[in-house]
Amino acid sequence: TQLLEQSPQFLSIQEGENLTVYCNSSSVFSSLQWYRQEPGEGPVLLVTVVTGGEVKKLKRLTFQFGDARKDSSLHITAAQPGDTGLYLCAGEGRDDKIIFGKGTRLHILP
Amino acid sequence: GAGVSQSPSNKVTEKGKDVELRCDPISGHTALYWYRQRLGQGLEFLIYFQGNSAPDKSGLPSDRFSAERTGESVSTLTIQRTQQEDSAVYLCASSLVVDEQFFGPGTRLTVL
Repeated sequence: TQLLEQSPQFLSIQEGENLTVYCNSSSVFSSLQWYRQEPGEGPVLLVTVVTGGEVKKLKRLTFQFGDARKDSSLHITAAQPGDTGLYLCAGEGRDDKIIFGKGTRLHILP
Repeated sequence: GAGVSQSPSNKVTEKGKDVELRCDPISGHTALYWYRQRLGQGLEFLIYFQGNSAPDKSGLPSDRFSAERTGESVSTLTIQRTQQEDSAVYLCASSLVVDEQFFGPGTRLTVL
């Protein structure tokens, strides 16, 4: 069974601090996606990473795909209250099935 | 353009009753997915449609759950004889490519 483990499960930090959250697996994924979900809404796709070692930047967010395509990280610089939400990673595994991690619940304190 | 819509947004029902949840995907999206999200949890895959066919039903938790899609458009998820453990947010997503899913706002189901 392919699983995606996200850590930490919860993170609460002050506005302006930097943070990194992780998405790890023992399985290889052909791509990984990061989504952000705010309360009462569905997840919104932030980025897809496809190539091992790939780094993508979205303003203050930096996404990295591990060389072996088994893990990914999301780094946020100078976190803002608007970054608060549930961050989910998802991977396209075998048989084109999308597998979601349980998420990191991020709270940025003003 | 219009995104994915789901109805109702909230549904409260009594244990043992049947419920139908509706998803209207983005026009032209061939793939449609249903997920369940329990309070404070991640997404649990339920079922996936490619066109009107469901090649992967492996996530349906029991035979009380069924889904259909017609006209490569609207999908309904039906839960028969609801139980309290069915309480959750049910999310629908549609996509043209498997790794870029667009989600609806979800239906919050509460079974009393």
